[in-house]
Amino acid sequence: DIQMTQSPSTVSASVGDRVTFTCRASQSISNWLAWYQQKPDKAPKLLIYKASTLETGVPARFSGSGSGTEFTLSVSSLQPDDFATYFCQQYSAYPLTFGGGTKVEIK
Amino acid sequence: EVHLVESGGGLVQPGGSLRLSCAASGFIVSSNYINWVRQAPGKGLEWVSVIWPGGSIHYADSVKGRFTISRDNSKNTLYLQMNRLRAEDTAVYYCARAPEDGYAILRYWGQGTLVTVSS
Repeated sequence: DIQMTQSPSTVSASVGDRVTFTCRASQSISNWLAWYQQKPDKAPKLLIYKASTLETGVPARFSGSGSGTEFTLSVSSLQPDDFATYFCQQYSAYPLTFGGGTKVEIK
Repeated sequence: EVHLVESGGGLVQPGGSLRLSCAASGFIVSSNYINWVRQAPGKGLEWVSVIWPGGSIHYADSVKGRFTISRDNSKNTLYLQMNRLRAEDTAVYYCARAPEDGYAILRYWGQGTLVTVSS
């Protein structure tokens, strides 16, 4: 199985900050990577797929990059609605696997 | 509009069984890739199973041999039959649909249903 590791597990930031977090795969997954945002007691929401393609309706302040085993998700200017937990997911092979998540907290 | 509604969760004793349902609207279940994903309380996401339009099925090792994914085309509904339940199966279970191209991106999600395995 492909292991996905996210870091850091928690980020403390303020509105307007730029934040970046990382997702690493245990083997190359090309660019078969998605990012999701999840708020408490809600289902995850797809933000980015194919490592860098923004899902329709997702604000342009979100961006993704990377390929192979190293990926990043960036938020250019944090908004109040962005405080949430972010998960990466590989879809290079079954079983689909997720990273452990990065929680973005208000500083 | 794509809509997924899970039901069937509840409290069950270890070793017991439960069947979850995922009622779909706005698309045809049998023509799409639909997954079950779970999330233990306070934990991350864990993929459970998928059924493909052609009927191919995959399971996570943690549920293989105990869980069965199926669909009823007449009801446009997906199911997850869960047998020999364990405490570690306690989680919110989501159904999630991929886009039509088949890539396993989880674009559409239901609201989830909570399964609690406890004596």
